[in-house]
Amino acid sequence: DARVTQTPRHKVTEMGQEVTMRCQPILGHNTVFWYRQTMMQGLELLAYFRNRAPLDDSGMPKDRFSAEMPDATLATLKIQPSEPRDSAVYFCASGLVQGWDSPLHFGNGTRLTVT
Amino acid sequence: KQEVTQIPAALSVPEGENLVLNCSFTDSAIYNLQWFRQDPGKGLTSLLLIQSSQREQTSGRLNASLDKSSGRSTLYIAASQPGDSATYLCAVEGNTDKLIFGTGTRLQVFP
Repeated sequence: DARVTQTPRHKVTEMGQEVTMRCQPILGHNTVFWYRQTMMQGLELLAYFRNRAPLDDSGMPKDRFSAEMPDATLATLKIQPSEPRDSAVYFCASGLVQGWDSPLHFGNGTRLTVT
Repeated sequence: KQEVTQIPAALSVPEGENLVLNCSFTDSAIYNLQWFRQDPGKGLTSLLLIQSSQREQTSGRLNASLDKSSGRSTLYIAASQPGDSATYLCAVEGNTDKLIFGTGTRLQVFP
């Protein structure tokens, strides 16, 4: 059963440290999304890629966040330097092209705590 | 800017009841609407996807309807079971690939 894999599942770090989260999308999916989930804001879209090209990262604080897809099997989300307000669950999701009858598949998330 | 609202925010019912969860969105120019389920500590699992040209989709005890012109969707759960306890989220996809999510309905079904 194909699934989106995210690592690490949990990350606790101190303010100012760099955090890297990784995602392996489902093979054959050409769209990858990064979402952040908090109790207050719900699910917010941070960035997404189609065919590895970044299409929109307007949801990310650009001074500290960066998202890349070095190859079709790996997407990364980096925070440098991290701040306590970045504490949240970060989800990666993958799917096929927009508008098709193809649902989005989510990973189990990375729970980030910044102290 | 698309906004998605879900009512109620939380629901607690005895098993066996038929349930209706509501989702509304402000911009009717959508490609599709999806309903997801999220269990605690887990990611989201897609339940149903309704394309903009469709009125409803069914999967087992779940039925989702879409009224695009009025900006509404409902998720109907028949004969609820304790295993249905989870958070249910709806999301709409517009012409920009982006899925915009509602804040969810937290459902508890007790025996």
